[in-house]
Amino acid sequence: EAGVAQSPRYKIIEKRQSVAFWCNPISGHATLYWYQQILGQGPKLLIQFQNNGVVDDSQLPKDRFSAERLKGVDSTLKIQPAKLEDSAVYLCASSPLRGAGANVLTFGAGSRLTVL
Amino acid sequence: GENVEQHPSTLSVQEGDSAVIKCTYSDSASNYFPWYKQELGKGPQLIIDIRSNVGEKKDQRIAVTLNKTAKHFSLHITETQPEDSAVYFCAASRKGNNRLAFGKGNQVVVIP
Repeated sequence: EAGVAQSPRYKIIEKRQSVAFWCNPISGHATLYWYQQILGQGPKLLIQFQNNGVVDDSQLPKDRFSAERLKGVDSTLKIQPAKLEDSAVYLCASSPLRGAGANVLTFGAGSRLTVL
Repeated sequence: GENVEQHPSTLSVQEGDSAVIKCTYSDSASNYFPWYKQELGKGPQLIIDIRSNVGEKKDQRIAVTLNKTAKHFSLHITETQPEDSAVYFCAASRKGNNRLAFGKGNQVVVIP
């Protein structure tokens, strides 16, 4: 089974520029998550999708972050404009909608963002 | 919201010895407690999990114990090997809610 695919793996931008990250979840996983992991900390949930609908975006800084999952499969996370404190690894994860595995998140390798 | 804390932040053990990492949580409604292992340059990977209706769960060299009264759960790794060196994260979530709150992580170093 293919894992969660993310791109790009690394991105360096200047503050106030924009950046977009892409995620393709495991086939058949209805739930998709974007997490932000700042160096030395645990992942923090930014947004959770169920199919193409948003379940939880309470911790997403909506003035600069946006995310979409238009067809209920892959997803894009955008930051515009970026701030220095946005430097982090952006992790995408997916899980099945039902069953024993519904709580089990499978993570991608992440996209490391450096804002200068 | 849920607050999850891990101790110690860094743990060094001799190869073959046991390692124990403790995690405390604040939300008494939490009922699902996974442990994730993160190696350098990779995403976290689930290694073991436990639900609130169970006190202990084992899978080969790893085990997790849960004390609901004290609101803490621990990861136990026996016969540690160099490949166990990684950052370990505990997390917690409520029933019907897959929103995981992660701790800050423990760096485990296994010394050959």
